[in-house]
Amino acid sequence: QLQLQESGPGLVKPSETLSLTCTVSGDSISSSNYYWGWIRQPPGKGLEWIGSIYYSGSSYYNPSLKSRVSISVDTSKNQFSLKLSSVTATDTAVYYCARQAAGVDNWGQGTLVTVTS
Amino acid sequence: EIVLTQSPDTLSLSPGERATLSCRASQSVSSSYLAWYQQKPGQAPRLLIYSASSRATGIPDRFSGSGSGTDFTLTISRLEPEDFAVYYCQQYGSSPLTFGGGTKVEIK
Repeated sequence: QLQLQESGPGLVKPSETLSLTCTVSGDSISSSNYYWGWIRQPPGKGLEWIGSIYYSGSSYYNPSLKSRVSISVDTSKNQFSLKLSSVTATDTAVYYCARQAAGVDNWGQGTLVTVTS
Repeated sequence: EIVLTQSPDTLSLSPGERATLSCRASQSVSSSYLAWYQQKPGQAPRLLIYSASSRATGIPDRFSGSGSGTDFTLTISRLEPEDFAVYYCQQYGSSPLTFGGGTKVEIK
């Protein structure tokens, strides 16, 4: 059974870089034809796609965040990671890692990241 | 960017009733790459429908999706108590992937 688990700091200071890692179990990132992505949800609000990556390293991002986002993959650890730089309070959200197939068919439980000094 | 507009914002219905949720796209969604999700408080979204009308694994057949082009609909034929939640549509046919603002289905 596929499981995704986000990990990383729950608090980040303004202007710093938010870093999260998603550990995938139950499937190999490099053995399947899926993209692996990050989606966020500010408290009480809707969903926003951040970006996605293929096991080969090919990635694409939401233009609204592209200048601040980087997603990488480590197939040896079966993990992929998110870095979001120069964060502000508007980046406070629950961050989900997910598998993209036809739609997003598997989600992590989500991790709340709060930007605060 | 394809903007998805969901309506209504809130749907107040009783268990056993039929729910009809709308998702309208600002431009045609490529190959009907449109998905629907259900989200309950404190939980991650769950995929219900993909490719506009295909049910995801384990989704009851009271959930159905239809539509093409710019107009899509999620129908819940008879609401069960566990169906009261927020529903989102998403297009994944073109980048950036985008979500609608959500429709809350609440108990009347």
